Amino acid sequence: DTGVSQDPRHKITKRGQNVTFRCDPISEHNRLYWYRQTLGQGPEFLTYFQNEAQLEKSRLLSDRFSAERPKGSFSTLEIQRTEQGDSAMYLCASSLAAHSSGANVLTFGAGSRLTVL
Amino acid sequence: DAKTTQPNSMESNEEEPVHLPCNHSTISGTDYIHWYRQLPSQGPEYVIHGLTSNVNNRMASLAIAEDRKSSTLILHRATLRDAAVYYCIPYNTNAGKSTFGDGTTLTVKP
Repeated sequence: DTGVSQDPRHKITKRGQNVTFRCDPISEHNRLYWYRQTLGQGPEFLTYFQNEAQLEKSRLLSDRFSAERPKGSFSTLEIQRTEQGDSAMYLCASSLAAHSSGANVLTFGAGSRLTVL
Repeated sequence: DAKTTQPNSMESNEEEPVHLPCNHSTISGTDYIHWYRQLPSQGPEYVIHGLTSNVNNRMASLAIAEDRKSSTLILHRATLRDAAVYYCIPYNTNAGKSTFGDGTTLTVKP
C-alpha cells in the first residue's frame, strides 16, 4: 500500500471556478477525513466519513463545499464558486476506527494546495 | 472538545533531549492523548498516543501526568529531521474527529 494519495497536488484557479480534489485512502481504512490548513495554522477539520456515510460536517463549512465517498473507498471534495479565502492546503487522512481502543491513528496524505486568483 | 495549550515555539540542540509540554486541563476521563507532528511541506504524521500510563515507541516517549491534565512528549535525542510542528490532541472515541490546535514549532540547532 502506498499510503494516502491526493490529487492534484497543486491547483491554481480563478475566482468563481469550481474545483474538485480526490483522496484515495489506505484500502483497509474505514474512516476518511478532510482538513483545511492555512499558513501558520494547524489543520482545521472539515468533514469525515465512516465507510460511505458522512458522519460529521464542520459548522464553519460553507454550502459551497461538498464531499462524497460513494463506495466507501475514495473521496472527492468539491468547492463551487471559489473565493480567494478558499486558498489553502486541503489535507485528507484515513484511519481504521476501533471502538475498543483509542487508536484511531490518522494517516495523512501530502495535501492538495489550492490557490485562488 | 477538550482545549489544549502548547508553547508556540521551542528550540533544542541536536542530540539533546527535548521535552514538549501540553496542558489539557479540560480533558475527560475517556479521552486519549494523541501527538502528531508535521514536517515542512508534508501532512501531519502520527507520533504516539496514550490514556493514563506512560508510553514508549521508536519515535518518542509520552509522559502523562497523574491527574491527566498535562502530558509531555519526549524526544530522547533530537536530530535535525525532528524539526517540525508538534500537535497534542485529546481524542474522544465517541467524537470521531481529531481537533488540531496550532501546535509547537520545534527548531533543532546543529
